[in-house]
Amino acid sequence: NAGVTQTPKFQVLKTGQSMTLQCAQDMNHEYMSWYRQDPGMGLRLIHYSVGAGITDQGEVPNGYNVSRSTTEDFPLRLLSAAPSQTSVYFCASSYGVGEQFFGPGTRLTVL
Amino acid sequence: SQQGEEDPQALSIQEGENATMNCSYKTSINNLQWYRQNSGRGLVHLILIRSNEREKHSGRLRVTLDTSKKSSSLLITASRAADTASYFCATDGIQGAQKLVFGQGTRLTINP
Repeated sequence: NAGVTQTPKFQVLKTGQSMTLQCAQDMNHEYMSWYRQDPGMGLRLIHYSVGAGITDQGEVPNGYNVSRSTTEDFPLRLLSAAPSQTSVYFCASSYGVGEQFFGPGTRLTVL
Repeated sequence: SQQGEEDPQALSIQEGENATMNCSYKTSINNLQWYRQNSGRGLVHLILIRSNEREKHSGRLRVTLDTSKKSSSLLITASRAADTASYFCATDGIQGAQKLVFGQGTRLTINP
């Protein structure tokens, strides 16, 4: 199993551009989440999903959209990138309550 | 806002010594988890302790939970250079089991 995969690993955007961060898992997990991690900080929840077709907001959802059309995929869309969105983004999945499996992260810089 | 607060922010010890990290939180929880993050990598789950448990062990890890003080500690015994990493606590509670709230982490350095 590949586990949780994320693409791209690195991305540089200009202010106002849009892009999609991809996340996929092959463990048939119901739950998937997106977090951002800023320097010296813990992770903050952006959006999460408890199953295909079901998503909800986390702590810092503004400027981001998600959808969950399949169990495997959970893309995160930046609608109009801003320098404040410069961060490392992590996707995670879990079968239920408990251990979350994390992807390797996407390092995003917005100029 | 961050619920978990970790102490210390950084810890440097000699290989073979024990390392203790603390986590405090503000609201009632269902579970508390500890994760490790090596530099530039994703997080790896270490251990989960439920709100009705007081202590849990896994290999060289020992976790305690005191719900009356809203605090937890992670003890790593006989530390190794490979334990060098950042350690985060994460809690879930009435906001929903899927809505984990992470602390800011403790940066642990093991000196050979």
